Amino acid sequence: ETGVTQTPRHLVMGMTNKKSLKCEQHLGHNAMYWYKQSAKKPLELMFVYNFKEQTENNSVPSRFSPECPNSSHLFLHLHTLQPEDSALYLCASSPPGRTFGGYTFGSGTRLTVV
Amino acid sequence: GESVGLHLPTLSVQEGDNSIINCAYSNSASDYFIWYKQESGKGPQFIIDIRSNMDKRQGQRVTVLLNKTVKHLSLQIAATQPGDSAVYFCAENINSGNTPLVFGKGTRLSVIA
Repeated sequence: ETGVTQTPRHLVMGMTNKKSLKCEQHLGHNAMYWYKQSAKKPLELMFVYNFKEQTENNSVPSRFSPECPNSSHLFLHLHTLQPEDSALYLCASSPPGRTFGGYTFGSGTRLTVV
Repeated sequence: GESVGLHLPTLSVQEGDNSIINCAYSNSASDYFIWYKQESGKGPQFIIDIRSNMDKRQGQRVTVLLNKTVKHLSLQIAATQPGDSAVYFCAENINSGNTPLVFGKGTRLSVIA
């Protein structure tokens, strides 16, 4: 366990479904991130939150909607996804605005859109 | 485009041999670099980092080398073990932490017993 917990570990959803991914950390970090990991592609940054405020949206389609109710929890709400959205979605956290020491990642949610 | 990349997508080594994984970066403003290891079914895990004011940093069985002249980063694993089989990513950071990490594509290391 890294201290960053993601649920569910696996998710299969239809293109008309609505689902949510959850990320939780109790490391005292105040920055949280969503990354998308697809086959043969680098990790793609999606969203960044610092102290519950979204500080970066990396041109992510609106069918992905993040929510950060507090510094320990991060959600990714999904609706009307496309098959090409199938990927591993990784959550990470770090001390605010500081990457020294890197990010702590969760194990990810393996998403399959059918 | 991305500024971090890897020379080889796959690497196979015999158990006990040393492994070298390479990474090229194109942004001369990058001043902090990290190597991550990702095992199957897990998220990336921090291995070792290096700041741009250093050329070499050693950890337990791992060494990171930084050549700023040619914008090249490498990870050396001594006496490679089966547990080292994973995908290895380099990541760079600009402005000492005020921007998010940028990751490379990754190299899969397979250890042959």
